[in-house]
Amino acid sequence: GQNIDQPTEMTATEGAIVQINCTYQTSGFNGLFWYQQHAGEAPTFLSYNVLDGLEEKGRFSSFLSRSKGYSYLLLKELQMKDSASYLCAVRDKAAGNKLTFGGGTRVLVKP
Amino acid sequence: SAVISQKPSRDICQRGTSLTIQCQVDSQVTMMFWYRQQPGQSLTLIATANQGSEATYESGFVIDKFPISRPNLTFSTLTVSNMSPEDSSIYLCSVERRAETQYFGPGTRLLVL
Repeated sequence: GQNIDQPTEMTATEGAIVQINCTYQTSGFNGLFWYQQHAGEAPTFLSYNVLDGLEEKGRFSSFLSRSKGYSYLLLKELQMKDSASYLCAVRDKAAGNKLTFGGGTRVLVKP
Repeated sequence: SAVISQKPSRDICQRGTSLTIQCQVDSQVTMMFWYRQQPGQSLTLIATANQGSEATYESGFVIDKFPISRPNLTFSTLTVSNMSPEDSSIYLCSVERRAETQYFGPGTRLLVL
């Protein structure tokens, strides 16, 4: 099976930076995804990492270390609209390349 | 990305009844997925629906409770059968596109009384 851990909740101030960590254990790692989900809405795709290193997309960056089973999502220049849940999901070859989601991290951005 | 629609967007149902949820995609896709998201929880995969074959169910989910159809490459349905209040949840379909990324439909919010 898989174990994906991320913090339940984080609070940050508008304009600041927040880093959401995700650790995972899987036997056939084949990619890690981050999704954003606003309350009452469907998840939207943010980023995909399959090789080690940093992927940058505007204010959002995602990092992966396969040897450590670790990823983080970095949100810079926080805006109020970034208040949402952020879901880490791992794709596992040993599980038929299905996605398994972590519990999600609820980020609250305060003025 | 993909344009995915779901019907109904929400429903309130009586226990013991069944509800069929439709998922329509704007172009052909091989794999479609059905997820459940219970209140305050993350997403749990119910089953994978491939066109031309029976759906593959995850542990804890059975075909009698959640029958799935996949008649063509742009459409799928999920039925929640003999509903109980524990089935109150958001049901989401998703499809896999480029870079093996999954994109989600808007979800169906189900409340069972």
